Amino acid sequence: GQSLEQPSEVTAVEGAIVQINCTYQTSGFYGLSWYQQHDGGAPTFLSYNALDGLEETGRFSSFLSRSDSYGYLLLQELQMKDSASYFCAVRDRGGSYIPTFGRGTSLIVHP
Amino acid sequence: DGGITQSPKYLFRKEGQNVTLSCEQNLNHDAMYWYRQDPGQGLRLIYYSQIVNDFQKGDIAEGYSVSREKKESFPLTVTSAQKNPTAFYLCASSIGQTYTGELFFGEGSRLTVL
Repeated sequence: GQSLEQPSEVTAVEGAIVQINCTYQTSGFYGLSWYQQHDGGAPTFLSYNALDGLEETGRFSSFLSRSDSYGYLLLQELQMKDSASYFCAVRDRGGSYIPTFGRGTSLIVHP
Repeated sequence: DGGITQSPKYLFRKEGQNVTLSCEQNLNHDAMYWYRQDPGQGLRLIYYSQIVNDFQKGDIAEGYSVSREKKESFPLTVTSAQKNPTAFYLCASSIGQTYTGELFFGEGSRLTVL
């Protein structure tokens, strides 16, 4: 089977930097994705890492270490609108490319 | 604009009734998925379909059924056999075997059993 661990909640202030960690245990591994979901809304894709290292997309960056089965999402220059749930997901079913999601991290940004 | 449309947004059901949630996409995606979301449990895969007239069970398929008669449509039926159907249901699609496996989600349907 597969399991993903991420913190249930993280709080930070506007303008700060926050890191959301994700550790995973899977029988196979084909990549780590991150999704953002605002309350009651649709999850939206943020980033994807298949290889070790850092991927940067604007204020958001995502990191992967396959040897440690670990990744993180880094959010810089936090804004109030970044308050949302963030899910990591691993692709561990190679033939189907379907991600398995973690339980999500609720990020609360304070003024 | 291309996207995924789910309906209804809110649905109430009495115990023992079957209900069908609609999911339509105009993205020309081959693959479609249904996820269930409960508070604190993330997204769990119910069913998925990679091609018309074919679908596979996910991790929590018991009490659910689907069909994929058209590329654009992937309705989910929540049957009376589903013991705890109150949840937020999300439909998604993807190009298929993309490098990133990026999923595009609908806005969801919230089902409440009275």
